[in-house]
Amino acid sequence: NAGVTQTPKFRILKIGQSMTLQCAQDMNHNYMYWYRQDPGMGLKLIYYSVGAGITDKGEVPNGYNVSRSTTEDFPLRLELAAPSQTSVYFCASSSRNGPGELFFGEGSRLTVL
Amino acid sequence: TQLLEQSPQFLSIQEGENLTVYCNSSSVFSSLQWYRQEPGEGPVLLVTVVTGGEVKKLKRLTFQFGDARKDSSLHITAAQPGDTGLYLCAGVTGNQFYFGTGTSLTVIP
Repeated sequence: NAGVTQTPKFRILKIGQSMTLQCAQDMNHNYMYWYRQDPGMGLKLIYYSVGAGITDKGEVPNGYNVSRSTTEDFPLRLELAAPSQTSVYFCASSSRNGPGELFFGEGSRLTVL
Repeated sequence: TQLLEQSPQFLSIQEGENLTVYCNSSSVFSSLQWYRQEPGEGPVLLVTVVTGGEVKKLKRLTFQFGDARKDSSLHITAAQPGDTGLYLCAGVTGNQFYFGTGTSLTVIP
């Protein structure tokens, strides 16, 4: 059972480049989330989705875009990468039965130089 | 923004010692969760507490939710090297999970 799969695991970008972080889950979860984790800052919510075709902003959405065309996939797009976007990005999903449990991918480490 | 402050930020203790990690907020949450994260991996859920004043025990770990549902604590008894990791609290409200700043625990054999 794969759970939540993120690609790529590592990426180096130059300032101004664009890229997409891929996230896929095979648990048929409706809820999906993108977080970024900076040292000493915990996890900050970028965007989330409560189902296919529905997305909403989290705490730190600027510089990012998402789409949710299927239940399984929730890609995160970075346009015009900036050094401030250097971080580890985590995708997570939840079925939200009761309080819900977040299932995380292994993370994507992005460096913008 | 729902801010959750964890303390201490870093903790290094000897095997066998006890410790407590705190998670505090000015916001009320419908539930609060604790996750543990190891290097290079995503966080993994340890427990969810829902009711104000609730106490849950998982072997040597004891979790408590504050009466006002704004804060929580994690107590570890007789810490072991396998407890080493980053501990994150998360307040749940609506569809969103708000994470604390994290406590990095190192247990020295």
